[in-house]
Amino acid sequence: GENVEQHPSTLSVQEGDSAVIKCTYSDSASNYFPWYKQELGKRPQLIIDIRSNVGEKKDQRIAVTLNKTAKHFSLHITETQPEDSAVYFCAVPSGYALNFGKGTSLLVTP
Amino acid sequence: KAGVTQTPRYLIKTRGQQVTLSCSPISGHRSVSWYQQTPGQGLQFLFEYFSETQRNKGNFPGRFSGRQFSNSRSEMNVSTLELGDSALYLCASSLRAGTAQETQYFGPGTRLLVL
Repeated sequence: GENVEQHPSTLSVQEGDSAVIKCTYSDSASNYFPWYKQELGKRPQLIIDIRSNVGEKKDQRIAVTLNKTAKHFSLHITETQPEDSAVYFCAVPSGYALNFGKGTSLLVTP
Repeated sequence: KAGVTQTPRYLIKTRGQQVTLSCSPISGHRSVSWYQQTPGQGLQFLFEYFSETQRNKGNFPGRFSGRQFSNSRSEMNVSTLELGDSALYLCASSLRAGTAQETQYFGPGTRLLVL
């Protein structure tokens, strides 16, 4: 199956700073790359996704960049706020399954 | 539209018992996937159903099984429970019949504790 590596596993930033999380994958046929946010005790929720026909997608303070040649994609959060504190997962499809990275625990301190 | 719902939300069982978890997808969604989430292994794919057919299965033992009904509701069953089966079981639904290359919406999960 698809191998998805996610780094870092934990990330601590001060409020207002930027945060970057990176995922690498192995299957060059993949062309859909979602990011999910999971707050403590809650369900994973899609926050942004990108398809391989574009290199970058933005939604307010969140952006995702994709490098298909190098087989990696990254989540960028600017002007972080305490409510951004959560676990973030990248995912890559493989057939009918989503293969998830191990997650990044982001802590934003005031 | 109502979101994905799962019942029960919490469950305590003992080793050797079996358990059945239920998932109701978003209305109109026909694909239902199940995932196991543990602190050590993260989110792992169990299986996916569409039109009452299992199309994909993850690397889990045969004790894990599932099914989907004609109204797209799905159940998963774990027999002969082991301590290591303690986890959060999440289901997710999506609209189309294609691959996983579309948005999947997660339910709140069922937290299973095996004693």
